Formats: sequence, C-alpha cells, structure tokens
Amino acid sequence: GQSLEQPSEVTAVEGAIVQINCTYQTSGFYGLSWYQQHDGGAPTFLSYNGLDGLEETGRFSSFLSRSDSYGYLLLQELQMKDSASYFCAVNAGNNRKLIWGLGTSLAVNP
Amino acid sequence: DADVTQTPRNRITKTGKRIMLECSQTKGHDRMYWYRQDPGLGLRLIYYSFDVKDINKGEISDGYSVSRQAQAKFSLSLESAIPNQTALYFCATSRGIAAFTTGELFFGEGSRLTVL
Repeated sequence: GQSLEQPSEVTAVEGAIVQINCTYQTSGFYGLSWYQQHDGGAPTFLSYNGLDGLEETGRFSSFLSRSDSYGYLLLQELQMKDSASYFCAVNAGNNRKLIWGLGTSLAVNP
Repeated sequence: DADVTQTPRNRITKTGKRIMLECSQTKGHDRMYWYRQDPGLGLRLIYYSFDVKDINKGEISDGYSVSRQAQAKFSLSLESAIPNQTALYFCATSRGIAAFTTGELFFGEGSRLTVL
C-alpha cells in the first residue's frame, strides 16, 4: 500500500525552531508538498520539493531526501499564529493525485 | 472574493435526505477535486475531475456522486445522507501542469455537513 507517516502532535514555544518529519512509502514519487491548515479552515499550500535538498520560503523551509523516502518541514522563529495542522502530501504519479499524511498538530506556546 | 467558493458553508440535514454541495472557481483551472476531512483521518479524496468530460472515483466514493457542469463548477451529491457522512468537505482545484510539478492545490473554505 501507499502511506505517509508524520507525528500526530508537536509542541514548541514562541521563537523556537521546530521540525516536522514525513516518511513515505509510495509506488511512485514525483514530489513532496506541505500544507498548513488552521482549525476549521482551508488547507493552504506551503512548499514543494521535487528534488533532493532544501527549499526555503521565509521562516519555513522544506527538505527532501528521495533515497531515504523522507522529508521535513522546518519552521523557524515560531509565532503563535503558526499553531495549526501541517500535512505532507506526495505526488506519486498515480493520475497525479496527491497522497496525504494524517497531519501534525503544532501547538506554539508563549 | 474567494477564488474557490463552496456553498453551503454549513448544513444540517436528516438521514435519508438528498444533499448537494456546490463548488465554483474563478482560477481557470482544469482539475477539480472533492475531499472529505474527519478528525484524525486527514484528507480523503472522494471524486476528481481533470476536465468537464473526465470524472474519476477517489478512495471513498461510495454514497457520493458528482457533476462537472462546466469547467468552473463541480458539485458533490449525497443521494441519501447517513450520519457517518457527517464531516467537513473541501473542494479544491489545480492546474494540470502545476499539480504535476508542484503539487499545489487551491482549496475552498469548506462545507461542514451534519447528518442527524
């Protein structure tokens, strides 16, 4: 089967750095995406890695290692507004639909 | 105005009723999707459409049907609603090429459905 694993919950304090990991097992792989979802809101696209390495977008960075079937989202200088759920999703090439992880709930405390 | 609009945003209905959730988009995207979200279960794909004449089942299509009335409109129907269809439903769109190269979907604000 195809699956993605990510931690269910992560807690951090304001100003800190947090890393959310995602490991995947899929029959094909084109790239790994990350989405943010605030409680009850719409998921919003954060980043995408199609090749190995680090992609940086402001305070957020995303990393991919295709050989390890592993990626992570790195959030720096955490702010209270970063409290949300974060989903990794793989484009596995199966009609180019996304396969989703179950999400990581990030709580940022003062 | 939102690029992807879902109506209704909230709906409470009774078991056995027919329900339609509507989605319209102004992004000009070919691809549209319906997802269901339940606590702890992430996003599960119900149906997707790559163009007006192309409709495909997702992983949990039983009990649901869809209609792609135009490039900009994609409706989800529950022919006879049951309580375990209580969930948050999201419509999403993507450009074909963008979805392949960046995995970027654009989501509506969601439709919260409660079936009593």
